[in-house]
Amino acid sequence: GQQVMQIPQYQHVQEGEDFTTYCNSSTTLSNIQWYKQRPGGHPVFLIQLVKSGEVKKQKRLTFQFGEAKKNSSLHITATQTTDVGTYFCAGRNTGGFKTIFGAGTRLFVKA
Amino acid sequence: NAGVMQNPRHLVRRRGQEARLRCSPMKGHSHVYWYRQLPEEGLKFMVYLQKENIIDESGMPKERFSAEFPKEGPSILRIQQVVRGDSAAYFCASSPLKARDDSTQYFGPGTRLLVL
Repeated sequence: GQQVMQIPQYQHVQEGEDFTTYCNSSTTLSNIQWYKQRPGGHPVFLIQLVKSGEVKKQKRLTFQFGEAKKNSSLHITATQTTDVGTYFCAGRNTGGFKTIFGAGTRLFVKA
Repeated sequence: NAGVMQNPRHLVRRRGQEARLRCSPMKGHSHVYWYRQLPEEGLKFMVYLQKENIIDESGMPKERFSAEFPKEGPSILRIQQVVRGDSAAYFCASSPLKARDDSTQYFGPGTRLLVL
C-alpha cells in the first residue's frame, strides 16, 4: 500500500539555525499537505501543494513539491522557539480517498 | 464559527469497557475523518465518513471498532471491550468537500483515551 516516509524523526537546532524536513511517497500524489502539531495539541493545517514543482512561502517557511509529485520538503529559515512542534506531511494518491500522514519530524529549538 | 469539536477531551476506561468518542464537524462540513495517534507517533487513518455513509474504513481494526455519522448529531467512534493497546489520542477532522476534491482537513482537539 501507499507509504509516506518523513525524515528526520527528530531535529535539535539552536535558535536562528535553519531546519528542513523531507517527505517521500512510494506512489505519485495528487497533493501534499503540511501540518504542525504543538506538544499536547492537535494538527493545524499549514499549506497544500498541488502542482508539480510547486514552491510556496509563508514568511520563514518554504514548501516544495517535487517534479514527480512523490516528494516534498519544508524549510524553516532562522528558527525561533515558537517553531517548536511536530511537522507532518500528508499525501493523497491520485483518485484516492485516504490522506496518508508521514510519521512527523519533531523540532526542538534551543534558545 | 466554531471549529471541530470533540468530546470528551479525556476518557479513562478499564479493560473490557466501552469507549464512545464524539465529533461534531465544523458548520457546513459533511465529511468526517478519524485518526489515531500513539504517543510520539504519526497519525494513522482509521475511517472516512459522510452523512449516513462509511466511505472508507480500511484503517479500522476489524473487531471492536465501529464508526457512524448519522443524519442528525455528531459522528461517533465506538470501541468495544477496550484493551490497554487502545490507549491513544483520537483525532477527528472535517472538510467541506469530498476527499477527492483536494479539501483541507480541519482537526478537532482530540480525545485522549487511557485504558487502565
